[in-house]
Amino acid sequence: NAGVTQTPKFQVLKTGQSMTLQCAQDMNHNSMYWYRQDPGMGLRLIYYSASEGTTDKGEVHNGYNVSRLNKREFSLRLESAAPSQTSVYFCASSEGRVQHFGDGTRLSIL
Amino acid sequence: QKEVEQNSGPLSVPEGAIASLNCTYSDRGSQSFFWYRQYSGKSPELIMSIYSNGDKEDGRFTAQLNKASQYVSLLIRDSQPSDSATYLCAVTLGAQKLVFGQGTRLTINP
Repeated sequence: NAGVTQTPKFQVLKTGQSMTLQCAQDMNHNSMYWYRQDPGMGLRLIYYSASEGTTDKGEVHNGYNVSRLNKREFSLRLESAAPSQTSVYFCASSEGRVQHFGDGTRLSIL
Repeated sequence: QKEVEQNSGPLSVPEGAIASLNCTYSDRGSQSFFWYRQYSGKSPELIMSIYSNGDKEDGRFTAQLNKASQYVSLLIRDSQPSDSATYLCAVTLGAQKLVFGQGTRLTINP
């Protein structure tokens, strides 16, 4: 019962470095999402993918890119990391209305 | 006005009492409403969903929805220390996207 798996769990980067966060789900869901969570701000949508081959921007997409590699995998890339991107990143998947979350990636940009 | 608003708390409730959490939303077209529980350092976990006006009960939890007032609430009866967590209200925006409130931190005092 893996559900939604995110790697890595923790990462420290220097400003300007690039990084790809990985997400995979084994529930055969069509839709996948990337969120970031900052203290006192709830979860904010970065990008989502309604189905394999499609991606759409969310509320806070600037500085990020995504790839829906196949139905299982949805990756988030930071091309040039900035301290403002220090956050906890959650991936989620859904089939229908309910979203299921991974355990998160804690990312620090120095 | 934020799309989904919650009182960030902290809300402190004695063990055994009823905890009442509130959420308002701005989009009258929203159709689906969710309450997620998030323990410190963990991912959000769905505890209640509600789609039509009225009350929905599941064990010690009751969700209440009033679309006319654009208001959704969560009641936790017989509160336990294990209920201490941050509770996130989420509302659908369009067919796929969820918008989260900033969360209410709840502490149950033994």
